[in-house]
Amino acid sequence: GENVEQHPSTLSVQEGDSAVIKCTYSDSASNYFPWYKQELGKRPQLIIDIRSNVGEKKDQRIAVTLNKTAKHFSLHITETQPEDSAVYFCAAPGSDYKLSFGAGTTVTVRA
Amino acid sequence: DGGITQSPKYLFRKEGQNVTLSCEQNLNHDAMYWYRQDPGQGLRLIYYSQIVNDFQKGDIAEGYSVSREKKESFPLTVTSAQKNPTAFYLCASSAGTGDNQPQHFGDGTRLSIL
Repeated sequence: GENVEQHPSTLSVQEGDSAVIKCTYSDSASNYFPWYKQELGKRPQLIIDIRSNVGEKKDQRIAVTLNKTAKHFSLHITETQPEDSAVYFCAAPGSDYKLSFGAGTTVTVRA
Repeated sequence: DGGITQSPKYLFRKEGQNVTLSCEQNLNHDAMYWYRQDPGQGLRLIYYSQIVNDFQKGDIAEGYSVSREKKESFPLTVTSAQKNPTAFYLCASSAGTGDNQPQHFGDGTRLSIL
């Protein structure tokens, strides 16, 4: 099955700075990579996803980049705000289409 | 994702007791999933179902059982064989299990042992 590794496990940034989270995956057949944001005690919510036919996708302050050759993809949050504080999960499907999730990154934005 | 409803929000289990967690969706999604989340950890797949009357074991199925008698419902039973059931349980659904199908989650059920 797919093996997804996510780094770092915790990330503390000053408000207004950027945050970058990186994930690597093992299954070269994977072609869909979602990112989820989970606030404390709440459901994970899909914030952005990317398909393998593009290398980068942006949505306001959030962007995701994909390097299929190196089998890694990253989440970039610019101009961070306190409401960006949450746990972020990356995921990738294996050949059986089940999503495998990374262990999560706890992002804290300091005011 | 208002289309996925999990109940109850909190559940307590006694020793030797089976408990059932409810998951209902009105999104007309074919696929449904159950995940377990332990504190500070990611999501681990318990069971998933691609279509009515069919389901598959995930990575940590031992001590759990499911049924998929209706498209909109995918209940999870935590049996007495699951010795460490305390966790946050999340149900999700997607339009299918093919590529590029985002999963949408319910609000979760927090299960504790009495």
